[in-house]
Amino acid sequence: GNSVTQMEGPVTLSEEAFLTINCTYTATGYPSLFWYVQYPGEGLQLLLKATKADDKGSNKGFEATYRKETTSFHLEKGSVQVSDSAVYFCALKGRAGGTSYGKLTFGQGTILTVHP
Amino acid sequence: DTGVSQNPRHKITKRGQNVTFRCDPISEHNRLYWYRQTLGQGPEFLTYFQNEAQLEKSRLLSDRFSAERPKGSFSTLEIQRTEQGDSAMYLCASSLALAGQETQYFGPGTRLLVL
Repeated sequence: GNSVTQMEGPVTLSEEAFLTINCTYTATGYPSLFWYVQYPGEGLQLLLKATKADDKGSNKGFEATYRKETTSFHLEKGSVQVSDSAVYFCALKGRAGGTSYGKLTFGQGTILTVHP
Repeated sequence: DTGVSQNPRHKITKRGQNVTFRCDPISEHNRLYWYRQTLGQGPEFLTYFQNEAQLEKSRLLSDRFSAERPKGSFSTLEIQRTEQGDSAMYLCASSLALAGQETQYFGPGTRLLVL
């Protein structure tokens, strides 16, 4: 079945530091890949997505590139802010016609704390 | 812009009681999903509907759980004879599935505590 593995946290950074959160996946075919963010006390929000190999998703300074050869979708940001402190989830969705089409499969989440 | 809403936001109940949660999706979204999230974990899929039809159910969804989506609009998730292990955040998401493209938008969740 499909699975997503994220780097374990928590990750603690100083403001303006470079961020990488690793995400690798196992899936049949060519899934769509997502990063969701959960701020304290709030629901999941879509941060960015990529639907095919070599696509780059980007939003709010965050980027992730769909790498089929390494089955990875690592999240990066060049300069983090205190307001980026949250839990980040990598997720995948199977292709239409596949056995896992529709539902999202999530990683366990990575807690990011950014200090001033 | 009205997002996905869920009610109640918090529920405390005693073991053995029944509880029901409601999810109102984004208007005109044809798909509705339920997930469960326990502390320190990512959400896990429970079930989903396309319009009013329930198309898939996870093995996590025991016979104490039932979900409905009458008329393809709001959905309810009922847990009968609650157990302490049911304590979790229950998340609802909706999407408009067109030509294989789909993005799920999540509600704020209902946090259940079973005493």
